[in-house]
Amino acid sequence: GDSVTQMEGPVTLSEEAFLTINCTYTATGYPSLFWYVQYPGEGLQLLLKATKADDKGSNKGFEATYRKETTSFHLEKGSVQVSDSAVYFCALLSGGYNKLIFGAGTRLAVHP
Amino acid sequence: GAGVSQTPSNKVTEKGKYVELRCDPISGHTALYWYRQSLGQGPEFLIYFQGTGAADDSGLPNDRFFAVRPEGSVSTLKIQRTERGDSAVYLCASSLSGTEQETQYFGPGTRLLVL
Repeated sequence: GDSVTQMEGPVTLSEEAFLTINCTYTATGYPSLFWYVQYPGEGLQLLLKATKADDKGSNKGFEATYRKETTSFHLEKGSVQVSDSAVYFCALLSGGYNKLIFGAGTRLAVHP
Repeated sequence: GAGVSQTPSNKVTEKGKYVELRCDPISGHTALYWYRQSLGQGPEFLIYFQGTGAADDSGLPNDRFFAVRPEGSVSTLKIQRTERGDSAVYLCASSLSGTEQETQYFGPGTRLLVL
């Protein structure tokens, strides 16, 4: 079945460092791909998405490109802030477009 | 506008008891989803409603779990004979009509603890 694998955390960075969180997927066809973020004490929020190959999703300085050849959707940010500390989830839309399949999540901690 | 709301925010119960978890989707959203998030894991799909009907209940773990959405708005997830392994955060999400391009908006979750 469809699945998502993302790098294990925690990832600990200093402020203004470059961030990459790896995400790869296994799926039938070409599903829409998502990054969701969960800030401490808050619910899941959509960060960005891409619906077809080579699309780039972007939001709040974060970017991810849908790579069909490598079945990947890595999350990047050029300069992280303390406020980016959260858990990040990669996900794909499966099952006839009604079911999100999530990775296990990657915890990011950014220190001043 | 108001987002997805879930009640209660926390629920503690004893093994073997019955619990109900409630979800109020965003007004006008016809698609509603339930997920379960165990500690340290990503959310796992349970069930999807389109209007009043369960269009996909393939994620429900066993027949102790049941969900309803009688009027196509509020949904209730019901768990009978709770077990300690049911302890998790139960998340509800809604989207406008359930098509591929739409975003699923999540509620804050109900944290269930079965003692």
